[in-house]
Amino acid sequence: NAGVTQTPKFQVLKTGQSMTLQCAQDMNHEYMSWYRQDPGMGLRLIHYSVGAGITDQGEVPNGYNVSRSTTEDFPLRLLSAAPSQTSVYFCASSYTKTGLNQPQHFGDGTRLSIL
Amino acid sequence: ILNVEQSPQSLHVQEGDSTNFTCSFPSSNFYALHWYRWETAKSPEALFVMTLNGDEKKKGRISATLNTKEGYSYLYIKGSQPEDSATYLCAFPSSGSARQLTFGSGTQLTVLP
Repeated sequence: NAGVTQTPKFQVLKTGQSMTLQCAQDMNHEYMSWYRQDPGMGLRLIHYSVGAGITDQGEVPNGYNVSRSTTEDFPLRLLSAAPSQTSVYFCASSYTKTGLNQPQHFGDGTRLSIL
Repeated sequence: ILNVEQSPQSLHVQEGDSTNFTCSFPSSNFYALHWYRWETAKSPEALFVMTLNGDEKKKGRISATLNTKEGYSYLYIKGSQPEDSATYLCAFPSSGSARQLTFGSGTQLTVLP
C-alpha cells in the first residue's frame, strides 16, 4: 500500500515553461487536494476534488489547473510557470466526500523552483 | 477564508518537560478540527480529527482537547522527547461545504536533550 505518491520530488523550471505535478493514491479516497507551502505562510489550498470529474478552487488557484479523470489520479498543471510559484507542493487525500471530518494523508511533496 | 491561529509560534523545552500549545478557530458553524505533526523534510502526518465539543483524544504521550463553544483546542505533550521536535499544525474546514481546510501557521517545537 503506497498511500499518496507524488512525482517528481524536485524540479527546476524556467519562467514560462509548463509542467504537470503528478499525484496518485491507492486508498480509494474520494477527496484529493493540492497545497503549497511557503515560508511563513503555512499550507494553502490550491485546488481540490471530491470525486472523479469534480474539481473546485481553493484559496490560491490562480496559475494552476487540475483535472480528475480517475479516482486515483489528481495532476496539477502549471501552464506558464512564474517565479512566484516557487514553492513546495503537497498532494493529500482522505475518505471524506461531503465534509472534512477524516484525516488528510499527505504525499512526500514536490519542491519546485522557477528561475 | 476564516482564520486559524496557533500559539506560540515556536517553543523550546527541555527533554522530560511537558508542554502545550493552542489552536484558536471560529466557533460558529463548527465542523471539525484537525491536528497534524510535521517533521522537517517529511510530510504532515495526522494526529487527531476532533468533531465533538469536550472531545479529548490521546495518542501515546500526546493528547488534545476541544472547546467548540469558545473556539479553541489544546495539544499537550507529556514528558517531551527529542523525537517530538516538529511543527504541530491545526486545521479547520473553513468553507460552508466544509470541503476546504485552512491551516494555521503551526507551533514549532524543539525539545533539547
